[in-house]
Amino acid sequence: GAVVSQHPSRVICKSGTSVKIECRSLDFQATTMFWYRQFPKQSLMLMATSNEGSKATYEQGVEKDKFLINHASLTLSTLTVTSAHPEDSSFYICSARTSGPRYTGELFFGEGSRLTVL
Amino acid sequence: AQRVTQPEKLLSVFKGAPVELKCNYSYSGSPELFWYVQYSRQRLQLLLRHISRESIKGFTADLNKGETSFHLKKPFAQEEDSAMYYCASPMKNTGFQKLVFGTGTRLLVSP
Repeated sequence: GAVVSQHPSRVICKSGTSVKIECRSLDFQATTMFWYRQFPKQSLMLMATSNEGSKATYEQGVEKDKFLINHASLTLSTLTVTSAHPEDSSFYICSARTSGPRYTGELFFGEGSRLTVL
Repeated sequence: AQRVTQPEKLLSVFKGAPVELKCNYSYSGSPELFWYVQYSRQRLQLLLRHISRESIKGFTADLNKGETSFHLKKPFAQEEDSAMYYCASPMKNTGFQKLVFGTGTRLLVSP
């Protein structure tokens, strides 16, 4: 299967700072990536769809100025949590599908990034 | 609104017992449904999808349109099956691009 990698896997920051999380498709190109947020013992909630070369589309209730998404290349999407607060502490997961000849419809997930805001 | 419902948060069974993890969906038409699994300290991964009608690691899931269900079953649970299981379906109004997940069921298989 295809591989999606996230970095960092864990990050601790002070309140008010910004944190960037990277999501890379290692062996395939992804025009679209998805960012999810997972609270403890809860399901994954889709935050936004990252589109290569254009603006991300955000789900209802997700602040686009708080969660900045950039998809500058076919293998990299970044999520920046700006002016982080303790309530932003969560597990952030990205995912992507293969495309073209490798398309299977399956969504491949990164290992997740745990953000803790002090 | 399109929803995927997993009524059980936790399912605890003994090794060798049959397992059924429930999933119900809420939209009409021909749904596309998936089961994803997350083992401890590992990433979420696809377990099976209904259109492939395959059996993975002994698990099967049959789409029942009459009951709008896609329950995951295994006749004899193994300890290594302990994990979080999520039922998921693509959102219809997004060109089937975005997935909506159920709340997940934790399966605990005891020796």
